[in-house]
Amino acid sequence: DTGVSQDPRHKITKRGQNVTFRCDPISEHNRLYWYRQTLGQGPEFLTYFQNEAQLEKSRLLSDRFSAERPKGSFSTLEIQRTEQGDSAMYLCASSSSKETEQYFGPGTRLTVT
Amino acid sequence: AQTVTQSQPEMSVQEAETVTLSCTYDTSESDYYLFWYKQPPSRQMILVIRQEAYKQQNATENRFSVNFQKAAKSFSLKISDSQLGDAAMYFCAYRRGTYKYIFGTGTRLKVLA
Repeated sequence: DTGVSQDPRHKITKRGQNVTFRCDPISEHNRLYWYRQTLGQGPEFLTYFQNEAQLEKSRLLSDRFSAERPKGSFSTLEIQRTEQGDSAMYLCASSSSKETEQYFGPGTRLTVT
Repeated sequence: AQTVTQSQPEMSVQEAETVTLSCTYDTSESDYYLFWYKQPPSRQMILVIRQEAYKQQNATENRFSVNFQKAAKSFSLKISDSQLGDAAMYFCAYRRGTYKYIFGTGTRLKVLA
């Protein structure tokens, strides 16, 4: 297993468009997290999945954001009607229930013009 | 609410010297985990070291060690024999419960040759 992967690595979109990001966690990990990181800041928690169940969603996530993890494997994060304030790095991480360490993906950098 | 504060936006250290990065946190819980993560430029975030709050002994991983002061809610990272490859953003993080991670704003470490 090569670790957590994210696709695409970079996305440039125009304001008002919808975008979807994908995260493939480490295969045996049942926990999956999405974070948003803006310049000069640490990662901010967006949402958490245990297997296919979305157990927590941050108040930072407006109704334009939705995340899914069908069958408890890969996850997608969709942003509808993007705004310039959505420009950020979107990080995915995974872990197993047996350990405390999160393994991060390389992130998807979103630029909204 | 839990918060994590890193008061040093940037630090510099001479190669082979020792540097300490500061982190304070606020919590009313007695059992939790603390972490230091490293984010090299354009690369994935990786775990450097972790500390379980119920353990009094400070964690150590090779050249990296922590000074955990539970009463003072302080969790500093010491890097000994600094190497050029240590240059990165370092994030202090707190885990609340079983899955909620809260990150500080980070400290950029520069290593001077």
